[in-house]
Amino acid sequence: GAVVSQHPSRVICKSGTSVKIECRSLDFQATTMFWYRQFPKQSLMLMATSNEGSKATYEQGVEKDKFLINHASLTLSTLTVTSAHPEDSSFYICSARDLGQTTDTQYFGPGTRLTVL
Amino acid sequence: QKEVEQDPGPLSVPEGAIVSLNCTYSNSAFQYFMWYRQYSRKGPELLMYTYSSGNKEDGRFTAQVDKSSKYISLFIRDSQPSDSATYLCAMSAGTGRRALTFGSGTRLQVQP
Repeated sequence: GAVVSQHPSRVICKSGTSVKIECRSLDFQATTMFWYRQFPKQSLMLMATSNEGSKATYEQGVEKDKFLINHASLTLSTLTVTSAHPEDSSFYICSARDLGQTTDTQYFGPGTRLTVL
Repeated sequence: QKEVEQDPGPLSVPEGAIVSLNCTYSNSAFQYFMWYRQYSRKGPELLMYTYSSGNKEDGRFTAQVDKSSKYISLFIRDSQPSDSATYLCAMSAGTGRRALTFGSGTRLQVQP
């Protein structure tokens, strides 16, 4: 149980285009999902907290107009990188909390590698 | 000072060795402690979850939490080359919508 999927697993796009990344909890419901960014050999950097049915909460320094988050259902959150630039190239990982559990654990997706040319 | 400190390594050990991975933290409100394993270019995988102080064992893995010292450990017995990965400690103050606070991760290499 507790499987989180991400799609696509890797994407290459041209500078200026927008890219959408999907995060799904496959066998549980998640009122809260989290989006992280990870640079090579570095730890996870929290970008935003995605709450079902309400606006996402962004961390300091993360542009909400550039990284659009939509959490339309209890099993799906999307991150759209708008007008992508080469510096947005990174590994994006989502995680989700299981609504049915009382613990504070999060389950991570496999990540999406974004390369902006 | 970071809220959670973790030695980045790399830590290189021979196959079969006992591995000790550690994190220290400064926030006394943390009550939930987790260890994640991350292989290269993959998402983190939950290994161990512990609430408050004490030990928890699962197969070759043992997690220890000492809240009085603000120190947590993960021990791996009989380490295998397949254990080579980055290990991230994570913690939180309680249930809710808050994100976890992660350590920077320790890269472990188990030599065959």
